[in-house]
Amino acid sequence: DAKTTQPPSMDCAEGRAANLPCNHSTISGNEYVYWYRQIHSQGPQYIIHGLKNNETNEMASLIITEDRKSSTLILPHATLRDTAVYYCIVHLSSNTGKLIFGQGTTLQVKP
Amino acid sequence: DAGVIQSPRHEVTEMGQEVTLRCKPISGHNSLFWYRQTMMRGLELLIYFNNNVPIDDSGMPEDRFSAKMPNASFSTLKIQPSEPRDSAVYFCASTIFGGIYGYTFGSGTRLTVV
Repeated sequence: DAKTTQPPSMDCAEGRAANLPCNHSTISGNEYVYWYRQIHSQGPQYIIHGLKNNETNEMASLIITEDRKSSTLILPHATLRDTAVYYCIVHLSSNTGKLIFGQGTTLQVKP
Repeated sequence: DAGVIQSPRHEVTEMGQEVTLRCKPISGHNSLFWYRQTMMRGLELLIYFNNNVPIDDSGMPEDRFSAKMPNASFSTLKIQPSEPRDSAVYFCASTIFGGIYGYTFGSGTRLTVV
């Protein structure tokens, strides 16, 4: 799986959009971009994933650049409960797929 | 579905004792993963199973660690003998179809070896 680079930490004001960047310049054509988050003391939680098109679900939006070398996770209206570590992972889904976590971005949502 | 269920939630044991962590994956999921999380090393994949068969145990730190999956609904991670450096939070996760739709993690077992 390709390596990702994320800023170690970010702040966001409550109610504003949180934009979390991720670089994955060595991504290959059949690798997906996944985002997970881990709220303190809990297990990681799946947020969203995409291949090359932008994706949106009830939790977030995922914007992937046309060359697929970077992506941005958008939390449209951040709340205090969104404070967590966010992991961007490039993953080749296969019958024996395994998920490898990096250090992630610690997002602090402030009132 | 109750999600991935791990037990116990907390375990405190003395160095040298055997520790067994348990995991019940989501029904229908065919892949199961054991992770360990520490402040120093983050989330590390220890071992994973597909259809109850161990596929990759390269992350298991040493022979003191062993994992089994006797059936599709149960897995154990055993440490014998335990050491203080094994203190960590151990997570179990399950998925289907290679994880294309995401992995579901349990709440973890916080292990403290004194």
